Amino acid sequence: NAGVTQTPKFRVLKTGQSMTLLCAQDMNHEYMYWYRQDPGMGLRLIHYSVGEGTTAKGEVPDGYNVSRLKKQNFLLGLESAAPSQTSVYFCASSWEASGRAGWYEQYFGPGTRLTVT
Amino acid sequence: EDQVTQSPEALRLQEGESSSLNCSYTVSGLRGLFWYRQDPGKGPEFLFTLYSAGEEKEKERLKATLTKKESFLHITAPKPEDSATYLCAVQARETSGSRLTFGEGTQLTVNP
Repeated sequence: NAGVTQTPKFRVLKTGQSMTLLCAQDMNHEYMYWYRQDPGMGLRLIHYSVGEGTTAKGEVPDGYNVSRLKKQNFLLGLESAAPSQTSVYFCASSWEASGRAGWYEQYFGPGTRLTVT
Repeated sequence: EDQVTQSPEALRLQEGESSSLNCSYTVSGLRGLFWYRQDPGKGPEFLFTLYSAGEEKEKERLKATLTKKESFLHITAPKPEDSATYLCAVQARETSGSRLTFGEGTQLTVNP
């Protein structure tokens, strides 16, 4: 049981290049999330998904796209990278909100450190 | 808009010196307040969920408490391995997708 995994762990891009970050979870969670973490700004939600085939915008969605073609995978794409997207990106997953105590916490992956030059 | 403020930003303790971290929040109907631990270069690790004022949860040297406006993470007789950044997050009852709003964290250093 690997939990939440992310690939790659590190990446350096040049301005204008594109890339896709992959998140996979083996806990059969319905909900998945992409965050970015920057010094002094905490974790901010980029996009999230409440189930296979669904996506929704979070707090800072501009410049990013996502897809959830399979329940266990959530992809984050940068079509044209900018230096402002230099950050550490975390994926998380959680159970569907059911009203049952203990089913709402999110479990995080190890992160991807992205530098855009 | 949901807001979470953590204080202090950084805390340095001697081993065995107990203290508390604060998380103040404003949310339109609290579903849950979450505490996470984050080690350098790693993802946040879930510690506790608190659902209602007056609730307390404990794990080893950590105890989390909740009031209607804030939560405290009490650290009793800390050890160097407790050094980490502690994150607080809230989930509003009406939020879609069980989204969390995070504070910026308190960086705790415990010296031997």
